[in-house]
Amino acid sequence: AQTVTQSQPEMSVQEAETVTLSCTYDTSENNYYLFWYKQPPSRQMILVIRQEAYKQQNATENRFSVNFQKAAKSFSLKISDSQLGDTAMYFCAFMKTGGGADGLTFGKGTHLIIQP
Amino acid sequence: DTGVSQNPRHKITKRGQNVTFRCDPISEHNRLYWYRQTLGQGPEFLTYFQNEAQLEKSRLLSDRFSAERPKGSFSTLEIQRTEQGDSAMYLCASSRGQSYGYTFGSGTRLTVV
Repeated sequence: AQTVTQSQPEMSVQEAETVTLSCTYDTSENNYYLFWYKQPPSRQMILVIRQEAYKQQNATENRFSVNFQKAAKSFSLKISDSQLGDTAMYFCAFMKTGGGADGLTFGKGTHLIIQP
Repeated sequence: DTGVSQNPRHKITKRGQNVTFRCDPISEHNRLYWYRQTLGQGPEFLTYFQNEAQLEKSRLLSDRFSAERPKGSFSTLEIQRTEQGDSAMYLCASSRGQSYGYTFGSGTRLTVV
């Protein structure tokens, strides 16, 4: 079974600052996907960024980027030039590839607050 | 692409009653998932459909829970003899493949009183 750990229950930064959310995971799988999801107060989960484990290059989506360290089983999210609309719960998630169920395993989340 | 639609948005029911939720996925997505999220926690996997076939059920899904996806389109999740511990947000998501991630609906918040 896979586990995902987010060690920061809550973080608060000033608008325009850069913030990094941490995520570690435990798995015996070699091939898998990692995701960061955002859940604003309206509660709908939105995919922020994804990373295939076989790719060494870190994924980037505009102001969002990841630092994927496969050997350390670490998958942190960096948000640059943070905006008020970035305030939300952020969940790190793991999905194994291959046959069988491909459900996501989520961490408990980090509540990110962007202060004006 | 109208997104994933879930109904109702909120449901309050008395303990012991049956409830049914509906999920309409994105039409071209053949995979559909149900998750449960309690306050302060990440979503937990309940069950997964590929087309009309229910391929996996979590141990969280007791005998009181049943899910269907007739004709591989919309899905329903029914909870029989509800208990207070069933109070949670029930999330539906759909996907066109593993690597694409999921598109989630807004969820159905169930409160059992």
